[in-house]
Amino acid sequence: NAGVTQTPKFRVLKTGQSMTLLCAQDMNHEYMYWYRQDPGMGLRLIHYSVGEGTTAKGEVPDGYNVSRLKKQNFLLGLESAAPSQTSVYFCASAGVKGSGANVLTFGAGSRLTVL
Amino acid sequence: GESVGLHLPTLSVQEGDNSIINCAYSNSASDYFIWYKQESGKGPQFIIDIRSNMDKRQGQRVTVLLNKTVKHLSLQIAATQPGDSAVYFCAENRETGFQKLVFGTGTRLLVSP
Repeated sequence: NAGVTQTPKFRVLKTGQSMTLLCAQDMNHEYMYWYRQDPGMGLRLIHYSVGEGTTAKGEVPDGYNVSRLKKQNFLLGLESAAPSQTSVYFCASAGVKGSGANVLTFGAGSRLTVL
Repeated sequence: GESVGLHLPTLSVQEGDNSIINCAYSNSASDYFIWYKQESGKGPQFIIDIRSNMDKRQGQRVTVLLNKTVKHLSLQIAATQPGDSAVYFCAENRETGFQKLVFGTGTRLLVSP
């Protein structure tokens, strides 16, 4: 089992460029999340999904879009990157309560730099 | 707004000592708490969790204590090892039946041999 896999691991963008971060999980988890981590800020929730075809806003959703077309994938898009979006992005997934897999499992992170 | 926070940003201990990492939370409605460990360049890794109907839970070399009266959470690591060096986050869940975690800012644990 690979768990939660994020691609790419590193990316440098220029202001205004667009890109998509891909998250894939092979644990058949219902819930998926995108967090960003900045120095001294901990992890903040950007968007999340409670199932295939559903998405919802988290704490800091502005400037990001997401899609969950397949249960195993959760995509995070930046339509017009800004320097304030320089961060490390973490994807996580979790199973439903009572499944024994309700704890969030995180990917290794994607470091994004916007110049 | 309500938040989960930590008292100490950095904790330095000697190998073999016991470590205590503290966390304060402000949402009395939170019913589930988790400690995560994050090593450099990696994603957070689950350590131990506790539900609000418990005061204490023990794992392998780790113990989590929950004091709901003062809204305080602590992680105790026994016989700390160099491999325990990492950033530790507490997180609280504010949703029923769904994991929507709010994370604290983290405490860095440095273990000297």
